[in-house]
Amino acid sequence: DADVTQTPRNRITKTGKRIMLECSQTKGHDRMYWYRQDPGLGLRLIYYSFDVKDINKGEISDGYSVSRQAQAKFSLSLESAIPNQTALYFCATSDFTGSSYNEQFFGPGTRLTVL
Amino acid sequence: GQSLEQPSEVTAVEGAIVQINCTYQTSGFYGLSWYQQHDGGAPTFLSYNALDGLEETGRFSSFLSRSDSYGYLLLQELQMKDSASYFCAVPAGGTPLVFGKGTRLSVIA
Repeated sequence: DADVTQTPRNRITKTGKRIMLECSQTKGHDRMYWYRQDPGLGLRLIYYSFDVKDINKGEISDGYSVSRQAQAKFSLSLESAIPNQTALYFCATSDFTGSSYNEQFFGPGTRLTVL
Repeated sequence: GQSLEQPSEVTAVEGAIVQINCTYQTSGFYGLSWYQQHDGGAPTFLSYNALDGLEETGRFSSFLSRSDSYGYLLLQELQMKDSASYFCAVPAGGTPLVFGKGTRLSVIA
């Protein structure tokens, strides 16, 4: 079974619709992240959470919101989707070991198309 | 802030050696990591360098020079399955990873 799962894997929606992307993990990690990937732009951070009570904005948080329902669940919402939010979205997790770096483990991604 | 520069595309022959460079600017440096992503797949961790020098893991090696704000990923004995995008990334203090825009490696016969 996959350690980090994302649902849905693909979604087509219309401008103005509210969309929620869900992420679940069985790795027992405290830290969770949402990234957006566009061709030629790499991965850009949207939001991240270091524990259930901690939510932080990333580089491109405008137009997005998140909810950390439990240690294992981190959801990304687009309150009113617009076409330039068409992208591949990745959830990731990492452990906290006290070092300055922690390997991140990525989910399979959600391909979102906003028409 | 943080920024990373890496070539957008590299082509190499099967069996050869290829080096993918990464230069970075960051307000606080803790190490340089590399991720691989095949088309349609998720990024997966390859390596991490916190100290200067070369780290070897099988056919892949990663190098860091903190004084030059520079690192590279070295892939030896290239195989067709190595065709993928490779991203360098830096963690910036308490914040998560900042990624470069990626280098697309094409391995040709």
